Amino acid sequence: DAGITQSPRHKVTETGTPVTLRCHQTENHRYMYWYRQDPGHGLRLIHYSYGVKDTDKGEVSDGYSVSRSKTEDFLLTLESATSSQTSVYFCAISDVDLNTEAFFGQGTRLTVV
Amino acid sequence: AQSVTQLGSHVSVSEGALVLLRCNYSSSVPPYLFWYVQYPNQGLQLLLKYTTGATLVKGINGFEAEFKKSETSFHLTKPSAHMSDAAEYFCAVTNTGGFKTIFGAGTRLFVKA
Repeated sequence: DAGITQSPRHKVTETGTPVTLRCHQTENHRYMYWYRQDPGHGLRLIHYSYGVKDTDKGEVSDGYSVSRSKTEDFLLTLESATSSQTSVYFCAISDVDLNTEAFFGQGTRLTVV
Repeated sequence: AQSVTQLGSHVSVSEGALVLLRCNYSSSVPPYLFWYVQYPNQGLQLLLKYTTGATLVKGINGFEAEFKKSETSFHLTKPSAHMSDAAEYFCAVTNTGGFKTIFGAGTRLFVKA
């Protein structure tokens, strides 16, 4: 299994509070991604990174920011959590080679109350 | 823009019966196509992928898929369902010019004894 660790695995937070999710990889892959998974929507890309300090927006980036100060870590921050951000969040990594698939972490279940 | 459509959010089959999960995609460039499986409370695992070459692709656990360019389809099949195949399946596409993967909404497979 690809070495991807997400933390925390579960979190309950209150509306309006900031929340940071962490993704750590030991594979030295260049590309890292944050997705959210919601019933009926599959996985939707929030943000992605193609190198240290190189990030870009995905299709559902509003209300989220990311940072990547080291190759192995990719942080997702909900600046002011809302109930619509209750979801399961997945981190993924992939190699520079375009033929490779993405490897996924175990997910973080976030509940905003 | 690329997109993926999975026909049927839920599919139910009897143990030993044929499994057929449908996926159609749209892409303006030659696509790379993937099927992932997700077991409860886990991340996504790659079942199989098509990049170039042979259009019939074999994956893990007896699954296979055929890339049909004329039909823009990449349907997933397995000749004989097993109880352990019960899971959610995601079709995904990326293109040769990029690395972001677009996922379908998913199909949940139920296997009846």
